[in-house]
Amino acid sequence: NAGVTQTPKFQVLKTGQSMTLQCAQDMNHEYMSWYRQDPGMGLRLIHYSVGAGITDQGEVPNGYNVSRSTTEDFPLRLLSAAPSQTSVYFCASSYKGGEWFSGNTIYFGEGSWLTVV
Amino acid sequence: KQEVTQIPAALSVPEGENLVLNCSFTDSAIYNLQWFRQDPGKGLTSLLLIQSSQREQTSGRLNASLDKSSGRSTLYIAASQPGDSATYLCAVYSGGYQKVTFGTGTKLQVIP
Repeated sequence: NAGVTQTPKFQVLKTGQSMTLQCAQDMNHEYMSWYRQDPGMGLRLIHYSVGAGITDQGEVPNGYNVSRSTTEDFPLRLLSAAPSQTSVYFCASSYKGGEWFSGNTIYFGEGSWLTVV
Repeated sequence: KQEVTQIPAALSVPEGENLVLNCSFTDSAIYNLQWFRQDPGKGLTSLLLIQSSQREQTSGRLNASLDKSSGRSTLYIAASQPGDSATYLCAVYSGGYQKVTFGTGTKLQVIP
């Protein structure tokens, strides 16, 4: 059981470049989300999805796009990378949406370290 | 806006010591609180989940308590081991898809 798989683990981008962070889960989870983790700020929600074809914005969505064409995959796209997007990105999933956090274990990927120069 | 604070930011203890990690939140209207462990270069692993109606949860050497009225939770680790060295984060869920707020974590080092 692979759980939540993120790729790449490390990436260096130049300002203005675009890229996609991949996230896949094999647990048939409805709910998937992307967080960024910055020193002293905790994890902040970027985008989330409650099922295939359904996505919505979190706390810090600017500069990022997502799509959910399948239950398994939830890629995060950086449209035009900026140094402020240097961060560690985590994908997470949970069994169901709605009260997803209530009693449902959340599974996190191992993170993607992104540096924008 | 919910704010979650974890103090201290870092803690170093000798092996075998019992210790308490603190988590405080500003809005007591929460559904539940969850404690996570994060190892360097890794994602977060859920340790304990406490529903708003519960006072505590236990798993092995870990015990988490919740006092909603005072906006506080503690994670108690008994007989600490070097393998417990990690960053511990708490997160509160206030309802809806977005309303999960994470603390910034306490980095624990257990010295052999």
